[in-house]
Amino acid sequence: AQKVTQAQTEISVVEKEDVTLDCVYETRDTTYYLFWYKQPPSGELVFLIRRNSFDEQNEISGRYSWNFQKSTSSFNFTITASQVVDSAVYFCALKYTGKLIFGQGTTLQVKP
Amino acid sequence: GAVVSQHPSRVICKSGTSVKIECRSLDFQATTMFWYRQFPKQSLMLMATSNEGSKATYEQGVEKDKFLINHASLTLSTLTVTSAHPEDSSFYICSAREMAQAGGLGNSPLHFGNGTRLTVT
Repeated sequence: AQKVTQAQTEISVVEKEDVTLDCVYETRDTTYYLFWYKQPPSGELVFLIRRNSFDEQNEISGRYSWNFQKSTSSFNFTITASQVVDSAVYFCALKYTGKLIFGQGTTLQVKP
Repeated sequence: GAVVSQHPSRVICKSGTSVKIECRSLDFQATTMFWYRQFPKQSLMLMATSNEGSKATYEQGVEKDKFLINHASLTLSTLTVTSAHPEDSSFYICSAREMAQAGGLGNSPLHFGNGTRLTVT
């Protein structure tokens, strides 16, 4: 079965703190894609990253970084020096037969 | 970049009426579109997969007679919520997949619309 688990329902941090959002996935496929999306209060989904199963190299984009560990089936997302504008719901997703299966989402609140 | 236009962004309707939501790919052809529903503070749940020129494939538990999906062209899919009830109030989001690229379906980009917030009174 394909499944994505985001165990953290809500996280609250103070601005400038680092925060890591966890994502654990299950799949029997050897080729798969993992994603992170940001959903601000307005509702639209903002694409953050796509990673395929053959590329375990960690990625950094500005204050964002992602740690992909196939051995533990995890694809964690870290925001460094968080800002109030980072407040949103973040979804991890697994692409399976062309469609996305989303985790439950983690609500991140960054307080000034 | 690729854009998916979803219309309307918000709609309020009375119980018992039908509502149509449109999802258009503006600068690419989408052989497949997906419809998701998101209840407040919950995740996005896939409702159905819409393929151009054929019947939609519905996920388990989704009533195909209530949520009518039409994908008549490579750039347009519509979702009609028939005989809407207050429990259908939700956020509906479509996504469109560009035609398959090298590497198979998994490698085809997915683009999301901005969603439609439906309120049934």
